[in-house]
Parts: sequence; C-alpha cells; structure tokens
Amino acid sequence: DADVTQTPRNRITKTGKRIMLECSQTKGHDRMYWYRQDPGLGLRLIYYSFDVKDINKGEISDGYSVSRQAQAKFSLSLESAIPNQTALYFCATSESDRGHAFFGQGTRLTVV
Amino acid sequence: EDKVVQSPLSLVVHEGDTVTLNCSYEVTNFRSLLWYKQEKKAPTFLFMLTSSGIEKKSGRLSSILDKKELSSILNITATQTGDSAIYLCAVLTSGYALNFGKGTSLLVTP
Repeated sequence: DADVTQTPRNRITKTGKRIMLECSQTKGHDRMYWYRQDPGLGLRLIYYSFDVKDINKGEISDGYSVSRQAQAKFSLSLESAIPNQTALYFCATSESDRGHAFFGQGTRLTVV
Repeated sequence: EDKVVQSPLSLVVHEGDTVTLNCSYEVTNFRSLLWYKQEKKAPTFLFMLTSSGIEKKSGRLSSILDKKELSSILNITATQTGDSAIYLCAVLTSGYALNFGKGTSLLVTP
C-alpha cells in the first residue's frame, strides 16, 4: 500500500459542483500539504498544515478550503468548481521542516 | 516574496550526453534545497542539500549547492532515455512548506 493515498485518482465534475479530494497517510508525519500542478507552472502550494489544529494558506488558496480531520487525513474541497481549477492535485507529507516531502499519486481533476 | 527559478525550462539531448540543470533561489530563512524527478505522476525525491559545496551523488546523478550564489546544479552524466522526466527544484524555508520552481522538462532521445 502507498504511504500517501489520494482519492479519487481521476474526477470529472461540472462547473458549480462541490467536490472533495481526500488524502490519507501512514507515515506518521505531522506536516501535510496540498499542491496543484499545471503544465509549465510547476507545483503551487494551496494549503498546508503542520498539525491537526494548524491550517495555513498557500500562494493560491482562493476557491479552496481544507480540513485536517486527524493527523493522517487532510482533505481539500472546491466549494464551487470552475474550469480553471482543472489541474493535477498532489497531497504531500513531511516529518519536519528539514525532511523531504513524500507525494501521493495525484488526482487529475477536470471541471467542465 | 520567495522565488525559485529553474533553467532551462526544457531540454532535448541525445543518449550519452551530459546535462546540467540549474536552480536559483531568493528566499528568506533558507533551510535546504531539494531535487525531485517526476516521470508519470508523483514527484520522487532525489537529493536534499543543506550545506554549501558538498556534492551529493547517486549513480549518474549528482548535485551541489552554492549558498553564496544562491543556486544549485543537478548533473546527469551518460544520459539514458529513462532519464526523460521533469526535474523539480524546491526550497524549504524555516516554518514554511516547500516552494517549487517551474521545473525543467528533459527529453533524452535514442
């Protein structure tokens, strides 16, 4: 089993719909992150959490919200999806601010 | 505003060539610089560099950090088609998450 699991792996949704992407990890890491990747733009940080009671906005948080339900679970919500949120979304975890991040397999989201 | 800039953005080489990928950064409270390789989906970790001038090696890949020049290079010698991927540079700052560059897309042709 993967250490960082994202569900769903692929999703097509309509404009205006609410959608949740889920991430769970078995690594026991405190830090969890959500990134989106668009062609030619690298990985951009949406939200991050350093523990269950800590939520922080990244550089592109508008239109997104997150919930850290437990140390192992970090979900990303699009309250009202729009086409320019079509992207590849990655969840990642890290042990500390010196450790490297481990990535999930990604969720390819298409908003039509 | 923290910045991580990679160059070139894309590169096409022939098998057997040696390539050098560049990463420069302007950040506050630098902790470490990381390199990742992304083939199909998830980025996979290559190197983490925290000290200037110490080369990290893994097979045909090597990387070094220059904290005076605020930059790092990733070298790949004797390239193979399996090296074709996007190479991502990221900088970790104190109390913050990884800040990624846009990546270098490398294509190695037979």
